[in-house]
Amino acid sequence: DAGVIQSPRHEVTEMGQEVTLRCKPISGHDYLFWYRQTMMRGLELLIYFNNNVPIDDSGMPEDRFSAKMPNASFSTLKIQPSEPRDSAVYFCASSLETGRDTEAFFGQGTRLTVV
Amino acid sequence: QKEVEQDPGPLSVPEGAIVSLNCTYSNSAFQYFMWYRQYSRKGPELLMYTYSSGNKEDGRFTAQVDKSSKYISLFIRDSQPSDSATYLCAMSAPLGNNRLAFGKGNQVVVIP
Repeated sequence: DAGVIQSPRHEVTEMGQEVTLRCKPISGHDYLFWYRQTMMRGLELLIYFNNNVPIDDSGMPEDRFSAKMPNASFSTLKIQPSEPRDSAVYFCASSLETGRDTEAFFGQGTRLTVV
Repeated sequence: QKEVEQDPGPLSVPEGAIVSLNCTYSNSAFQYFMWYRQYSRKGPELLMYTYSSGNKEDGRFTAQVDKSSKYISLFIRDSQPSDSATYLCAMSAPLGNNRLAFGKGNQVVVIP
């Protein structure tokens, strides 16, 4: 398996534009997580899905953020409209339901810059 | 109070030194304790995993968990320049929907 695949790797956009980040989890994994990483706040969990169903979106900063998982192999994180404070590295991660240990496998991240 | 506290200050050490990192946590339900390593411009990768209290050793790396104090540590012996990375502690609870709570991370630089 190629691991968790995110696209694009880098995105530069103007304030007010819509941004869509994409993620392909590892095949067979039950959980998918979206994180945001900044120097100030570290790694923050935004939302996660179990078997394509959103479980907890309490980390989504505001209504401008939305996430979908239409099937087991694809998820999107959308920001509309984008703002400069959304600039960060966004990671997608997936993991397998084991009931015990919970290793999460991360993608390479999308570095978002909103100017 | 955040669930997991990790002093995010950077750490520079000479090659061969021992690196000591630690985290504290507040949720007594946490049973699984992990350290992730993140190289520059990469995603975090699992480095060490420990269940409940005790020590675990893997080569030059030792992870310690003290549940009574809600305190975990990572030690790197004989540090190498290739150990230069950000180290994040993470933890989770049984039946916690695989949700990981992460510390902010420590950037470690090992100087040759």
